[in-house]
Amino acid sequence: QVQLQESGPGLVKPSQTLSLTCTVSGGSISSGDYYWSWIRQPPGKGLEWIGYIYYSGSTYYNPSLKSRVTISVDTSKNQFSLKLSSVTAADTAVYYCAREGRYFDWLTSPPWRANWFDPWGQGTLVTVSS
Amino acid sequence: SSELTQDPAVSVALGQTVRITCQGDSLRSYYASWYQQKPGQAPVLVIYGKNNRPSGIPDRFSGSSSGNTASLTITGAQAEDEADYYCNSRDSSGNLHVVFGGGTKLTVL
Repeated sequence: QVQLQESGPGLVKPSQTLSLTCTVSGGSISSGDYYWSWIRQPPGKGLEWIGYIYYSGSTYYNPSLKSRVTISVDTSKNQFSLKLSSVTAADTAVYYCAREGRYFDWLTSPPWRANWFDPWGQGTLVTVSS
Repeated sequence: SSELTQDPAVSVALGQTVRITCQGDSLRSYYASWYQQKPGQAPVLVIYGKNNRPSGIPDRFSGSSSGNTASLTITGAQAEDEADYYCNSRDSSGNLHVVFGGGTKLTVL
């Protein structure tokens, strides 16, 4: 059973860089079947996708955060990481890592697509404050 | 379009059936996935694909799709189903964005 666990500082000063790591256990991050994502949730608000990485290192980021986000992968450690630069109070949130699966429904024409996030890490609260 | 729209709040009487909806252009070619989130907990996947339930999810949860609307139906809602529910898909316009709905707070009366 695959499990994900976030780790990193819970407090970051404004204008600094937020850094988090997600450790994957019970399965290999190098499985080509999945993508590995970061998702965040500000207190009392909804979910916001930050970006994902494939084991090969290819990435895709939320356009609203793209200029400040870097996601990297270390397959030897079965980990992937998030860096978010120039943080402000608006970046205060619970940060989750999650595995994304996808498939095509070839029984439909044109084929429908599906994606889903499972499992999720337990989440880590990062507060931006001086 | 890369938006998914959900009603902010829905209520249901204990034991009755409730439908939570999610609207968006991407849902004309993407199945929505659905997540249940209870206070202080990480989201949990309850439905994905055409109508698939992960192991451990009760069969009272089901999913469907029509036009630009995806629905999560809970048949015989239980007190423990009270939670926030989020839908998710990818943008279907050619980019690779992931989108989440704004969430629906389900109250079981």
